[in-house]
Amino acid sequence: NAGVTQTPKFQVLKTGQSMTLQCAQDMNHNSMYWYRQDPGMGLRLIYYSASEGTTDKGEVPNGYNVSRLNKREFSLRLESAAPSQTSVYFCASSERTLYNEQFFGPGTRLTVL
Amino acid sequence: LAKTTQPISMDSYEGQEVNITCSHNNIATNDYITWYQQFPSQGPRFIIQGYKTKVTNEVASLFIPADRKSSTLSLPRVSLSDTAVYYCLVGGGKLIFGQGTELSVKP
Repeated sequence: NAGVTQTPKFQVLKTGQSMTLQCAQDMNHNSMYWYRQDPGMGLRLIYYSASEGTTDKGEVPNGYNVSRLNKREFSLRLESAAPSQTSVYFCASSERTLYNEQFFGPGTRLTVL
Repeated sequence: LAKTTQPISMDSYEGQEVNITCSHNNIATNDYITWYQQFPSQGPRFIIQGYKTKVTNEVASLFIPADRKSSTLSLPRVSLSDTAVYYCLVGGGKLIFGQGTELSVKP
């Protein structure tokens, strides 16, 4: 039982490049989330998916797109990376959105030059 | 979504009990109160959740007064490994993480 896994762990991009961050959970959770965390700050919600087939914007969705591929997988895409998107990205899942017990992955550290 | 306010940092010594208070004056009737712990370079980890009065698990206790406008996370007999950032969150689904409280436990 791996919980929430994220790939890659580290990534360096040049401005304007695109990439997809992958997230998968094996807990049969309905809801999944993408956050970013900048140095010295709390996490900010980018997008979330309450259930398979649905996605909604969080606090800071601009510059990102998401896909809920199936119940297990939720990907985050940067179409044209900018230095302001340098951050640590965390994926999380929960049984449902009503309650707050979310399980987090190990994070992806992204640097955009 | 209710905004939360908690101390930026706290210091403690091993073996002491640590209480971190969070204020959430605009909490809604249906909102739960949840606390997370985050170590450097790791994702947050759920500690405890409650709605009213007192909740206790193997890690911590959560005290919530009748008006629910604040809550206190209590960590009994902390150790060096409890050094982390602690976040108080209110609501459901779209979690709003503030800056959290950076707890430093000294020997």
